[in-house]
Amino acid sequence: GAVVSQHPSWVICKSGTSVKIECRSLDFQATTMFWYRQFPKQSLMLMATSNEGSKATYEQGVEKDKFLINHASLTLSTLTVTSAHPEDSSFYICSASLGVSTDTQYFGPGTRLTVL
Amino acid sequence: AQSVTQLDSQVPVFEEAPVELRCNYSSSVSVYLFWYVQYPNQGLQLLLKYLSGSTLVKGINGFEAEFNKSQTSFHLRKPSVHISDTAEYFCAVTTIGGYNKLIFGAGTRLAVHP
Repeated sequence: GAVVSQHPSWVICKSGTSVKIECRSLDFQATTMFWYRQFPKQSLMLMATSNEGSKATYEQGVEKDKFLINHASLTLSTLTVTSAHPEDSSFYICSASLGVSTDTQYFGPGTRLTVL
Repeated sequence: AQSVTQLDSQVPVFEEAPVELRCNYSSSVSVYLFWYVQYPNQGLQLLLKYLSGSTLVKGINGFEAEFNKSQTSFHLRKPSVHISDTAEYFCAVTTIGGYNKLIFGAGTRLAVHP
């Protein structure tokens, strides 16, 4: 149980275009979803926390207008990278939890974004 | 604020040897502690977690970790590693009542050699 999927697994886009990444909890309802960014050979950096039906909470330094997060249902959250540039190229990973502070986060397999 | 330090960026070890991956944390409040494993181009998989109770926590794939509050450490151990254990390992903390906001260490690359 507790499977989280991401789509697409990898995407290549041109500079200036927007890219949408989906994160789904397949067998449970996720009150809270998280979006992380991981640069090569580095750790995960939390970008934002989203709760179903409310606005996402962004970490300091993350541009909310550039990284649009929508958590429209208990099983789906989307991250849209708007007007992507090469420096946005990264590995984006989502996770989902039931929202209770002791609860485990279940991670998706990640999405590799390459902006040309 | 919380922080996590993984003392070794890389740990090479021979197959069937024991291994310890070190993790120290800093926090002014009580925390929950986690170890995750990441295989190449994949997301993270939970190995084990410490919430309360016994300080020795057993996880999947034969791993265990011991919480030491006085030394603010949560080292991961395995008595005999396999080639398939080669991966990146991340230690993470969240504060009690912190709504699951995880703070990760920089990661330790475990390389198991035949």
